[in-house]
Amino acid sequence: DQQVKQNSPSLSVQEGRISILNCDYTNSMFDYFLWYKKYPAEGPTFLISISSIKDKNEDGRFTVFLNKSAKHLSLHIVPSQPGDSAVYFCAAGSGSQGNLIFGKGTKLSVKP
Amino acid sequence: GAGVSQTPSNKVTEKGKYVELRCDPISGHTALYWYRQSLGQGPEFLIYFQGTGAADDSGLPNDRFFAVRPEGSVSTLKIQRTERGDSAVYLCASSSGGDSILNEQFFGPGTRLTVL
Repeated sequence: DQQVKQNSPSLSVQEGRISILNCDYTNSMFDYFLWYKKYPAEGPTFLISISSIKDKNEDGRFTVFLNKSAKHLSLHIVPSQPGDSAVYFCAAGSGSQGNLIFGKGTKLSVKP
Repeated sequence: GAGVSQTPSNKVTEKGKYVELRCDPISGHTALYWYRQSLGQGPEFLIYFQGTGAADDSGLPNDRFFAVRPEGSVSTLKIQRTERGDSAVYLCASSSGGDSILNEQFFGPGTRLTVL
């Protein structure tokens, strides 16, 4: 059973608008959450993270929101740019351990 | 470049053969991770090292898979008697300052393994 779920395999957004990518998790032991971005033929690159003691973390155009009671997090990108087109992976884990659990990813397409 | 490198970038082999995949982490990074990404899936954890020792190998699917990091730097993932289901992109990542996920993991480009 998947512990980290990204239920939307793809998302298409117009340039300049907001992109919202969603992620749900089932393991209540997770206390650290990350978003990775992946271009074709490259490894994932870290984008933004959030600890379970917070409900929001912002870095430029990227904001991650965490709703612990709903076991849900989301990544907001605003304004979206064509260069943001990539696959976005949600990942989670426990700060006391090293391994990350990834979702299946959401392919974002930002159209000019 | 100073990033994580993986060789080969592509490997095609026949069912039943033995393969080795190599990972060169970022210099000075003490933690090293192996993940496997099958088509349409996210990366799946296999094993991670802190220094030379395997701190957690719970993600290795069976005893055909083995990984080493003899000098605490380069790591090799070894797969015996390959099966078609082993076909995937094998990703390596490294991080500094210990093996907590609070330390950013830097990923290499991966090795695409195809078992015919």
